[in-house]
Amino acid sequence: DQQVKQNSPSLSVQEGRISILNCDYTNSMFDYFLWYKKYPAEGPTFLISISSIKDKNEDGRFTVFLNKSAKHLSLHIVPSQPGDSAVYFCAASPINQGAQKLVFGQGTRLTINP
Amino acid sequence: DADVTQTPRNRITKTGKRIMLECSQTKGHDRMYWYRQDPGLGLRLIYYSFDVKDINKGEISDGYSVSRQAQAKFSLSLESAIPNQTALYFCATSVPTGGRETQYFGPGTRLLVL
Repeated sequence: DQQVKQNSPSLSVQEGRISILNCDYTNSMFDYFLWYKKYPAEGPTFLISISSIKDKNEDGRFTVFLNKSAKHLSLHIVPSQPGDSAVYFCAASPINQGAQKLVFGQGTRLTINP
Repeated sequence: DADVTQTPRNRITKTGKRIMLECSQTKGHDRMYWYRQDPGLGLRLIYYSFDVKDINKGEISDGYSVSRQAQAKFSLSLESAIPNQTALYFCATSVPTGGRETQYFGPGTRLLVL
């Protein structure tokens, strides 16, 4: 039973355009959501997070949107750059729980084309 | 220098062999984790430790054991390796901050069990 799903295994976007990565979850107890970015031969690195009291969080070119009613979050990258090519994982955890409760999605491989 | 290091980076072993994957960190974090990543499944938690005397099973602990030798070191052992333990293994650390935690991952160990 996959509680966090990233239904697109891969996404290809032209440099300079917007990249939108999607993530759906089923557990209504999840209240904290994160995106991690992973380059080949490296571990995942934290990118951006959002708690359920917000519906949007921005950090430079990266914005995460949360739609609690739809149990859906998305990561927008604008403008997309070649260095953004990586695998992106979304993750979710219940309220006031530690990282041991994080549930990860399967990942989406983003390729930015010059 | 990397804050979280894993050795070896790649390992090939045979069915039935006992092997150990090691993780060291210089971040000074008390909390450490072992995950495995399989294609199409994201990261799944094997074991976690909140301090030297605290070891906990994660989602998929069967066939694995761990040892927390010091705050900075957390080892994962496969008692008798089997082919379906072929995967990418990540160590991570974290520190709780205001009820939220960000994890810091090592570069991973790619394990092949023949």
